[in-house]
Amino acid sequence: DTEVTQTPKHLVMGMTNKKSLKCEQHMGHRAMYWYKQKAKKPPELMFVYSYEKLSINESVPSRFSPECPNSSLLNLHLHALQPEDSALYLCASSQDSGSVETQYFGPGTRLTVL
Amino acid sequence: DAKTTQPPSMDCAEGRAANLPCNHSTISGNEYVYWYRQIHSQGPQYIIHGLKNNETNEMASLIITEDRKSSTLILPHATLRDTAVYYCIVRAVNAGNNRKLIWGLGTSLAVNP
Repeated sequence: DTEVTQTPKHLVMGMTNKKSLKCEQHMGHRAMYWYKQKAKKPPELMFVYSYEKLSINESVPSRFSPECPNSSLLNLHLHALQPEDSALYLCASSQDSGSVETQYFGPGTRLTVL
Repeated sequence: DAKTTQPPSMDCAEGRAANLPCNHSTISGNEYVYWYRQIHSQGPQYIIHGLKNNETNEMASLIITEDRKSSTLILPHATLRDTAVYYCIVRAVNAGNNRKLIWGLGTSLAVNP
């Protein structure tokens, strides 16, 4: 099973709302990732968790707050977003076992900020 | 980190082989080449990766030149479902940062009936 699931599939929120994106994998992977993807652009890395600890933050604004409650779950908490934050948010996971890192992606959450 | 260059778009007839080129002339000796694809509005899907030797799996073949400065992804019998954006990526190997993938702009492959 190489499945990463993400909920919700679509989310519309106002600039004053607080919402969360959820990601889950049951492959025993120990690294999990959040990416942001704008239309016709490649994915941009936001955060990486390794063994439930934040290991990479690509200078993401604080209105995005990641959380890794356990090795299978990854959340992205959203607060006071801007319309330019509208994008496809992708979650991925990998084994984090050393030199070869194949990342498996979820289907994404399409976020629209009004 | 090595950068990749790919043609922005390509066309292929259904049933024929699709050959997608990638230039990575500044790749380091211990950096892998990865290929992912992304069907419209879906998450990227891993296809194949390699270091020096040619690789084949159930989805595709990867041909890497001897000098490792370029590679070609081959889909042997393209179908309409192979229409997607194909990304050629090299894996950064900076200490403590080996999970980063350096994404290019990709090639938009259209498989036509």
